[in-house]
Amino acid sequence: GNSVTQMEGPVTLSEEAFLTINCTYTATGYPSLFWYVQYPGEGLQLLLKATKADDKGSNKGFEATYRKETTSFHLEKGSVQVSDSAVYFCALSTNNAGNMLTFGGGTRLMVKP
Amino acid sequence: EAQVTQNPRYLITVTGKKLTVTCSQNMNHEYMSWYRQDPGLGLRQIYYSMNVEVTDKGDVPEGYKVSRKEKRNFPLILESPSPNQTSLYFCASSLSPKLVNEQFFGPGTRLTVL
Repeated sequence: GNSVTQMEGPVTLSEEAFLTINCTYTATGYPSLFWYVQYPGEGLQLLLKATKADDKGSNKGFEATYRKETTSFHLEKGSVQVSDSAVYFCALSTNNAGNMLTFGGGTRLMVKP
Repeated sequence: EAQVTQNPRYLITVTGKKLTVTCSQNMNHEYMSWYRQDPGLGLRQIYYSMNVEVTDKGDVPEGYKVSRKEKRNFPLILESPSPNQTSLYFCASSLSPKLVNEQFFGPGTRLTVL
């Protein structure tokens, strides 16, 4: 079956620090990969996605590259802001699973000024 | 504005008292689903619907029912809630079940079962 593993949090960084949140996956078929962000008190929002190997998804200064050889989709940002404090979820979806999303456990990011 | 709405946003109830959480989307999406979010477990799918009158179990369907009588609505029903159903629930929708598309999420419903 499909599964997503991401680093446990919380991750605490100072403003302008470099961010990496690791995500690895196992999947049957050829998954699309996603990062969702959940700000306090809100629902999930799609942050970025990549649908095939070597694709790079990017949005709001965040980026992640679909690495088929290492089955990874690590999230990075060069300089985090306090407003980036949120919970980040890595997820995958495969056509042979009815468009079901399989989520990782989530990583809480706390950015201090 | 394209959106997924859920009601209520917060609910405290007692064991065994039937409840319904409504979900509605205004994007004419075919696919809708329900998730529950628990600490450390991420989101797990409860039920999904490929289209009107077509529903199927997700990963954690026990204790839940759904219906899809209209395209826009996908209510989640707990016939006899129990404390282990205390969780944060999200409804989501996407344009089609055949393509890998982004899913739009509602704002969440926080349910506490005493």
